[in-house]
Amino acid sequence: IVLTQSPATLSLSPGERATLSCRASQSVGGHLAWYQQKPGQPPRLLIYDVSNRASGIPARFSGGGSDTDFTLTISSVEPEDFAVYYCQQRTDWSWTFGLGTQVDIK
Amino acid sequence: DVKLVESGGGLVQRGGSLRLSCALSGLSVSDSHMNWVRQAPGKGLEWLSVYYIAGTINYADSVKGRFTISRDNSRNTLYLQMDSLSVEDTAVYYCARRYCNDGNCFTGFDLWGQGTLVTVSS
Repeated sequence: IVLTQSPATLSLSPGERATLSCRASQSVGGHLAWYQQKPGQPPRLLIYDVSNRASGIPARFSGGGSDTDFTLTISSVEPEDFAVYYCQQRTDWSWTFGLGTQVDIK
Repeated sequence: DVKLVESGGGLVQRGGSLRLSCALSGLSVSDSHMNWVRQAPGKGLEWLSVYYIAGTINYADSVKGRFTISRDNSRNTLYLQMDSLSVEDTAVYYCARRYCNDGNCFTGFDLWGQGTLVTVSS
């Protein structure tokens, strides 16, 4: 299964709403996660199973979608949210990641 | 404190081998579904391999037949043996735990190490 993330880059000002897309080449059911990664750091789990926030993740992050189309929304972007975001899916015994969306400052 | 610490990275020649280690503290390797993920310089994340609690193992096609995942319960450590290395294997290698809670496991890796850099020279 191939995950296609769009856009590749999203330029926003603090306070704006961010909507990131992840499209799967075939259905992944509810098996989708989102991560945030900053330079020099490992990824941080934001959302698991499509729409569940991981521990300590602020409420401004939300996930949604089903089947093949998924979104990560940041309701009001904070300065610390500028980073790369990846989606990830699981099928049976293997996992794949999308290529990422860079969210940077306009 | 719960953490994962990778080691064993370094510079190796094309065709060579390297073994990476992931030491677990504050959690047990035998009670965790553990994975290896890599990230080439300036690129995205690539899942490589999983070692499930029950012993099931799987690999990405890109490393199948060249990489071998294993664990040592007595040392509480996960390993990745990498053979027939190519320049394309140059990356930061992370170990990561699948998120599980109250007997249920979910799609997501909730605990990551800081990574170890592997550089394959030509």
